[in-house]
Amino acid sequence: AQSVTQLDSQVPVFEEAPVELRCNYSSSVSVYLFWYVQYPNQGLQLLLKYLSGSTLVKGINGFEAEFNKSQTSFHLRKPSVHISDTAEYFCAVSESGGYNKLIFGAGTRLAVHP
Amino acid sequence: NAGVMQNPRHLVRRRGQEARLRCSPMKGHSHVYWYRQLPEEGLKFMVYLQKENIIDESGMPKERFSAEFPKEGPSILRIQQVVRGDSAAYFCASSPGLAGTTDTQYFGPGTRLTVL
Repeated sequence: AQSVTQLDSQVPVFEEAPVELRCNYSSSVSVYLFWYVQYPNQGLQLLLKYLSGSTLVKGINGFEAEFNKSQTSFHLRKPSVHISDTAEYFCAVSESGGYNKLIFGAGTRLAVHP
Repeated sequence: NAGVMQNPRHLVRRRGQEARLRCSPMKGHSHVYWYRQLPEEGLKFMVYLQKENIIDESGMPKERFSAEFPKEGPSILRIQQVVRGDSAAYFCASSPGLAGTTDTQYFGPGTRLTVL
């Protein structure tokens, strides 16, 4: 079985500052990794995903994430955040080769202040 | 190209009533997933369906909950005799069901169920 831990429930940051949202996972099998963003009262939007290949994955809105197999991590980063990045961010895993049942972390609330 | 549609967006029920949540997948998608998000928590997988088949319902409560995805029409998540603990946001996601690879799930806006 897989599990996902998002180490920070809330991350406050000033506009134009860099940010890193941390995600660790555990699994006995190979996994695919995802980051989703949820704006207030909306559904989830895919930011980026890692399936295989290069461990540095670039996504939408200037976000990127790095897969680190030895540390079982998939941290999300952005070099300069905007007010509009204020949202809830979810890390998720699914078993590779299987269908796409997603296991989500508890989420990290990113609050960008002017 | 319309995204995943869910209705209603908000649903209020009294304890003991039934709740029916609908999900219309994106055009061309044949796989549907239902997730539940309790307040201040992440999403939890409930059930995975393909047209007319339940593939995995390991996340569904054993009683009162059922799901279907008929040949024609939307997928339905049905909760009978609702209790206060059923209050949550219920999200549907769909995917095209690409063979041999993982395909991205696209999420709907959710139905927020409040049980009084």
